[in-house]
This record gives sequence, structure tokens and C-alpha cells, in this order.
Amino acid sequence: EAQVTQNPRYLITVTGKKLTVTCSQNMNHEYMSWYRQDPGLGLRQIYYSMNVEVTDKGDVPEGYKVSRKEKRNFPLILESPSPNQTSLYFCASGKRYQETQYFGPGTRLLVL
Amino acid sequence: AQSVSQHNHHVILSEAASLELGCNYSYGGTVNLFWYVQYPGQHLQLLLKYFSGDPLVKGIKGFEAEFIKSKFSFNLRKPSVQWSDTAEYFCAVTTGSSNTGKLIFGQGTTLQVKP
Repeated sequence: EAQVTQNPRYLITVTGKKLTVTCSQNMNHEYMSWYRQDPGLGLRQIYYSMNVEVTDKGDVPEGYKVSRKEKRNFPLILESPSPNQTSLYFCASGKRYQETQYFGPGTRLLVL
Repeated sequence: AQSVSQHNHHVILSEAASLELGCNYSYGGTVNLFWYVQYPGQHLQLLLKYFSGDPLVKGIKGFEAEFIKSKFSFNLRKPSVQWSDTAEYFCAVTTGSSNTGKLIFGQGTTLQVKP
């Protein structure tokens, strides 16, 4: 089944404890992206990747890192999480940029 | 800055009522337009999209949307809603000038359908 998977789905952590949210797609998509969803703000792009080893900042990249070593994986790294990073995170992928993006199930993160 | 505006934040309808959700975007060039739906506790699913061609687009589950270029609008419609349509609906745009592939989302509209 074609899909985007994320792990974990739910995470509670404390300020400053490094964490990684994994994202994987099995559709051989070139483009991958991370968004965060906050009430009243819709979804905002954090980082995106046009292809392997090609990543760039979106609208709200502060406090996040990403890497794209393989085509299928695009992990989101929070080196030192803070409470303002409490949010719902979605990974998405598309065949190429500008084309339809398909979303993962989301990761709900609470930073205490 | 490019933006997407959804006029209705919360809509309550009875089953069988007709639905229209407004979406306007601020960009004068080429756009790709999308409506996504997020059912409670689930991820975003694509309802329909418009890239080019017939401005009246049909999607899944009986939804349709009309692209009106002169009004910068892409309103979502359904003739008769069901209780199972209760969800949050997001309009989103990618623009021709973007080299990031970023989807610009509206704030979302929560639809509650009463049985």
C-alpha cells in the first residue's frame, strides 16, 4: 500500500531532550516536507527536500533540523525541544515539488 | 506575502443540507489548488485538486470545487452532506513562483454535521 509513515505517533518529552521523528514513504517520491499544525494557524512548512541530499528551510525552521540521506526517509530532529514546539507534525511527500503531496498520519508532540 | 483565506471557521449543518466552503488566495500568477480533509484523529487526505483545464473539479465522496480565476477563489461544495462529513477542511495552494513546493494552507474550516 502506498503510504507515508511517521513514528512515533505520540510523544511526551521534556525541554532540552533531543528527539527524532521519523518519516518514510514507499512511493519513490523525490519531494518530501515537514509541516506543523497549530490551532488557528493551519499548517506551516518547517523544512523540505527536493531530493536526496537536497534540503532547505521552510517558513518556520527555527529549532529543527532534517536530513535526507535516502530517498525514502526524511527524519525531523529537535536538538533541544522547547514548549513552543508542542504541536502536531505532519510529514508529506510528492512525486516532485508543485505536485500533489500525500500526508503521513501525524505525530503529536508535547514538550514539558 | 502569498496567503490563503477560508472565510468560515466553524460551520454547523444538518444532514442533507448543502455545503459551500469559501477559499480565496492572494497570488496573481499560476496556482495549483487543493482541498484536503482531516477526519477526527486522522491525517490529511486529498479531496480534490485543480492544476489546469476544466475549472469545475470533482473529487471523492461527492465533493466538487470551482476555480474562478477572476475572483481568486476555489470554493468547495457538496449538494447534500452526511454525518460522516464531519471533519476539518483545508484549502491549500502552491504557486508558480514557488521553488520550494510549499503548500500554503488556509486556517481550516471545522464542519459539524448534525444527524
